[in-house]
Formats: sequence, structure tokens, C-alpha cells
Amino acid sequence: GAGVSQSPSNKVTEKGKDVELRCDPISGHTALYWYRQSLGQGLEFLIYFQGNSAPDKSGLPSDRFSAERTGGSVSTLTIQRTQQEDSAVYLCASSLGVLDGYTFGSGTRLTVV
Amino acid sequence: RKEVEQDPGPFNVPEGATVAFNCTYSNSASQSFFWYRQDCRKEPKLLMSVYSSGNEDGRFTAQLNRASQYISLLIRDSKLSDSATYLCVASGGSYIPTFGRGTSLIVHP
Repeated sequence: GAGVSQSPSNKVTEKGKDVELRCDPISGHTALYWYRQSLGQGLEFLIYFQGNSAPDKSGLPSDRFSAERTGGSVSTLTIQRTQQEDSAVYLCASSLGVLDGYTFGSGTRLTVV
Repeated sequence: RKEVEQDPGPFNVPEGATVAFNCTYSNSASQSFFWYRQDCRKEPKLLMSVYSSGNEDGRFTAQLNRASQYISLLIRDSKLSDSATYLCVASGGSYIPTFGRGTSLIVHP
């Protein structure tokens, strides 16, 4: 596609439920990143995929968070047993290479009630 | 210590003013640097890359000082539409881009 696509754009879930967030990067972009941004805060790195290499999961805040990237393209971020502190905008970005600029999707606004 | 630090501002300037932002980074292995712009409740968008030789794009000039580990962004002839948060980005040996928390710019008539 022309840009990075994320779905859903908004998600309201009850505390304790699992959620899946999807990211479809720009075709041909080998690097894919997940960040989250709480209201008024900076971008917090979560996880990084580069080609077929093992992902860098160093930013995942707890074992309730996991992500996968299938076929080097679409990525899914899963949050199990959601908590209120998980409420944030989850942003996905992709880049052509590790030294190139990053194109962000419009994000998924997650609200845990 | 944060890896990428920026003055949060806000910088409140009149139209037509020149304004400069600085950003410092702690990882000396950083290889790529960028400035992003983020409008309220929107995703960050790439404004410009930052090269060692400095680079200019219209009213915007970015510079990198590796010795002092800072990058700068200069905006000339500010427009109302320049009002936004400007994010500094450094990407080091791990290739994970680290974003600063941003500097808020408000341009008023």
C-alpha cells in the first residue's frame, strides 16, 4: 500500500481482556517498529523486526505483550489481560532499511476500561 | 539519563520569527538522525534527515555536531502552520530509533 496501515483505529476493551493490534507496513520495507505513546508523553519503544532476523523485544513492558510478523510483512501486537495502564496510542512504523527514515501509521488508540 | 533530550518548551513565537531547537543524544554510536513533526493527536511525520554536513530544506535547516553530540533545527520565517511538536530522533548501533519527548512550537499572529 501507499502508507503504513494500522487497525483498528480505536479500540475500547474491558480490563482483563486480550486485544490484537494489526500493522501492515509499506511494501518492501524490511524494518518494522512498534511504539506506544501515552497522552502528553514521548514515544516508548516496544519491539523491532528486521527482515527474517529474531525481533528485538527489549522494549516490551511485560510478558503480557507479544508481537509477531508473518512473512516479513504484516505484524500483530497482542496484549493479554489488559490493564488500565495499557491505555495509549500504539504506533507502528516501517522503514526501507535500518538507516532510513521511518513512516508511521496513524495508530491504534487503545482504551482499557 | 534519557538517551535523547529536548527542551519541551513551549516556544511561543510571532509569525515571521526565526526559532531554533537543540537536541542532545547520549549514544556516541548513533549513526542516523532525523527531525519529525507531530501534530496534536496525529502520528509523527518525517520532516528531514540530519547529515554531518548539515542540510537545508526551504525554511528549515538541520545540523549535526558529532563532537558535542547534539543536533539542531532552525526554522526561518515561521508560519502559523509550523505550530506543532518537533521530535528529535537518533538511531544507534542497535538500529532502534530513540525519540526525544519533543519540543512544542506555537506560532502566533
